[in-house]
Amino acid sequence: DTGVSQDPRHKITKRGQNVTFRCDPISEHNRLYWYRQTLGQGPEFLTYFQNEAQLEKSRLLSDRFSAERPKGSFSTLEIQRTEQGDSAMYLCASSSGASGSGTSGRWGTDTQYFGPGTRLTVL
Amino acid sequence: AQSVSQHNHHVILSEAASLELGCNYSYGGTVNLFWYVQYPGQHLQLLLKYFSGDPLVKGIKGFEAEFIKSKFSFNLRKPSVQWSDTAEYFCAVKLSGTYKYIFGTGTRLKVLA
Repeated sequence: DTGVSQDPRHKITKRGQNVTFRCDPISEHNRLYWYRQTLGQGPEFLTYFQNEAQLEKSRLLSDRFSAERPKGSFSTLEIQRTEQGDSAMYLCASSSGASGSGTSGRWGTDTQYFGPGTRLTVL
Repeated sequence: AQSVSQHNHHVILSEAASLELGCNYSYGGTVNLFWYVQYPGQHLQLLLKYFSGDPLVKGIKGFEAEFIKSKFSFNLRKPSVQWSDTAEYFCAVKLSGTYKYIFGTGTRLKVLA
């Protein structure tokens, strides 16, 4: 396994266009996270999947953003009607952990492995 | 709102100097705490983590961090830095009852040979 991969690595688009990014997690990892990172900031949580279920989504995420993980393996993040403020690095991370250990209060030894990111530039 | 503060945005040290990077969080409940590092041209990777037990946590490459609950702090330390420690360091907190990780803004460390 070569780690978490993301495609494309760079994307330049015009304002108003839709873009879709793909993340392939480490095989057998049931947890998948999407983050957004802008210059001078740390990663900002966008959404979380456990297998195919989207269990948490940031309230900061507008309706233009949607993510899927249809078979519990790879995930896609789509941004509709892109705006210049969407320009950022989009990071994906995966980890393994017991199902339900987040909300049940039981902590797994969740270690996130990050991908290289997709850099989006909206002109 | 919950937040993570990293007090030093840029740190420059000479090799063999001691390092301490500050991290404070604002959340009154149970947390898991992490330090991540991003070396130039590489992905973010875990340096160390605290879940429970001994508040002094040892990580890779000689790094350690101490969780002080009363101060809501999780400072990163290394007794003697090397040029290869030049990187950006991020503190992160995972809140109990959620899957959400909150990252600090990061500290850029430059170690002069």
